[in-house]
Amino acid sequence: DAKTTQPTSMDCAEGRAANLPCNHSTISGNEYVYWYRQIHSQGPQYIIHGLKNNETNEMASLIITEDRKSSTLILPHATLRDTAVYYCIAPTDSWGKLQFGAGTQVVVTP
Amino acid sequence: DTGVSQDPRHKITKRGQNVTFRCDPISEHNRLYWYRQTLGQGPEFLTYFQNEAQLEKSRLLSDRFSAERPKGSFSTLEIQRTEQGDSAMYLCASSLISRYDYNEQFFGPGTRLTVL
Repeated sequence: DAKTTQPTSMDCAEGRAANLPCNHSTISGNEYVYWYRQIHSQGPQYIIHGLKNNETNEMASLIITEDRKSSTLILPHATLRDTAVYYCIAPTDSWGKLQFGAGTQVVVTP
Repeated sequence: DTGVSQDPRHKITKRGQNVTFRCDPISEHNRLYWYRQTLGQGPEFLTYFQNEAQLEKSRLLSDRFSAERPKGSFSTLEIQRTEQGDSAMYLCASSLISRYDYNEQFFGPGTRLTVL
């Protein structure tokens, strides 16, 4: 799996966009970038994934740089319920295990 | 509720006892994963199955741990001779392997184990 690096924590004001960076400079050409989040006392939840192109779904947008060495997860209008630990993962085998790091603790404040 | 259930939700045991956890995945899902999470850390991979076949085990998984998925449906994770260091949240996830490269793992609520 490609090593990923994320900030330990970040704060975001409710209603504002939250931009979560992730570095994955050793990613190989066929490794996807996945984002999961874990709300306190719950199991992780899938958010979005991408390979080369930017992606958007009902939860978030994923921007991947052209060289694929980094990506940004965007929560367009953060709510208090978005307070969670966010994990950026680049598994070698998309169908295998997920290697979670420490993630980014995001706190959304009123 | 993701559709993945785990039982029990909480287990307190004494050191040296054996414990068994159960995971019921989403019914049509053919992949089932087990992870362990300690306080302040991200989940750590333990093992995974495709149908009833166990495809990978973590090197960190001691021989006191065993997992089964006998009919390719539910799975059990047993820990023999528990130690205090086994105290953690044990998470189960399932997914449906398909012709797409996209693998969304659906996680259960976890079983919290406390070893006294």
